[in-house]
Amino acid sequence: AQKVTQAQTEISVVEKEDVTLDCVYETRDTTYYLFWYKQPPSGELVFLIRRNSFDEQNEISGRYSWNFQKSTSSFNFTITASQVVDSAVYFCALLGGSASKIIFGSGTRLSIRP
Amino acid sequence: DAGVTQSPTHLIKTRGQQVTLRCSPISGHKSVSWYQQVLGQGPQFIFQYYEKEERGRGNFPDRFSARQFPNYSSELNVNALLLGDSALYLCASSWDRGLDGYTFGSGTRLTVV
Repeated sequence: AQKVTQAQTEISVVEKEDVTLDCVYETRDTTYYLFWYKQPPSGELVFLIRRNSFDEQNEISGRYSWNFQKSTSSFNFTITASQVVDSAVYFCALLGGSASKIIFGSGTRLSIRP
Repeated sequence: DAGVTQSPTHLIKTRGQQVTLRCSPISGHKSVSWYQQVLGQGPQFIFQYYEKEERGRGNFPDRFSARQFPNYSSELNVNALLLGDSALYLCASSWDRGLDGYTFGSGTRLTVV
């Protein structure tokens, strides 16, 4: 079975703090893809990053960085120097190599206080 | 280029009624997927269509059906609506199975009363 767990339901930090969103996944596939999506109040899911199971290189994009560790089945997301505009619900998701559906975690609601 | 467009944006229906939701994918995308997002939860997969054929189906009752047209747009139909069908319905398009990442629309907010 495939599963994505986001244990942090809500996080609230003060602007400019760093914050890490945790994601743990389960899959028996050897080939799979991991995603992070952002969902602002408007409801649209905004694609942030995709990682395939053979690429464990960490990635940095501006204030965003992602840490993929197959050994612990984790794909964590860090926002450095958070801003109020980062406030949203963030979803971690998994796509199996042979599957057609994305499995989403339950999401982490991030609130950045000015 | 236009993104994924969904219509209507909001909808209120009565229990027992039927509803049709529409989705237009990004130009060139041949795959459309539908997800249901109940308040406070992550999206749940309903259907995927690729080149007008059903490629995947989630754990939803037969009251839910969908189709994809020759222009790759799609409709999701839900019959005999229940209160529990109230949710945000998201459509996503991709080049193939979504390995490069799906692009989601803003969704249709369905309220069943």
